[in-house]
Amino acid sequence: GAGVSQSPSNKVTEKGKDVELRCDPISGHTALYWYRQRLGQGLEFLIYFQGNSAPDKSGLPSDRFSAERTGESVSTLTIQRTQQEDSAVYLCASSWVGGDTGELFFGEGSRLTVL
Amino acid sequence: GENVEQHPSTLSVQEGDSAVIKCTYSDSASNYFPWYKQELGKGPQLIIDIRSNVGEKKDQRIAVTLNKTAKHFSLHITETQPEDSAVYFCAASSGNTPLVFGKGTRLSVIA
Repeated sequence: GAGVSQSPSNKVTEKGKDVELRCDPISGHTALYWYRQRLGQGLEFLIYFQGNSAPDKSGLPSDRFSAERTGESVSTLTIQRTQQEDSAVYLCASSWVGGDTGELFFGEGSRLTVL
Repeated sequence: GENVEQHPSTLSVQEGDSAVIKCTYSDSASNYFPWYKQELGKGPQLIIDIRSNVGEKKDQRIAVTLNKTAKHFSLHITETQPEDSAVYFCAASSGNTPLVFGKGTRLSVIA
């Protein structure tokens, strides 16, 4: 399809394990974002990639969280030593340009449950 | 940094009535204000946006107003229909900063 694709759609893990979440943005989109949505809450910004610029990591809640992006394609969000408070839906979005000049196209999210 | 407050958190209206959702923001440098609709199990989807050089924008049954002086912006949905039931998020950003979202409003349209 032509939309943003995220995998896995659901992930259940045990406390202390590492998880990796994947995002395939829309082809040609230069900007990619990760947001976290806890149950019944708003979208919490995590990290933003724009082209070849250094990523904006200002939203990452701890050093257990990291993300990478290969060029203008796939991104992976890694959570190390997961905690129960990491349980949430992790949403990825992409856009044509960064910042306020483009619509964000969201994937359906990866639901993470940490037992 | 930017802080966006959104009210109410839940809203129930009768089909055919209007719904209004209000947001305030803190950063006077913000100049872009989109609204997203999130249906159950889906990612949010843009429904309308407004920039700071415009006071009002309308698209069929949906309108957004912006008061830059008061740092308020609102979403108005007229003639509501059951398919309007969803969670609505306002957001704000300035320059090259990522969007900051409000906590969302769960709208229920009762047939």
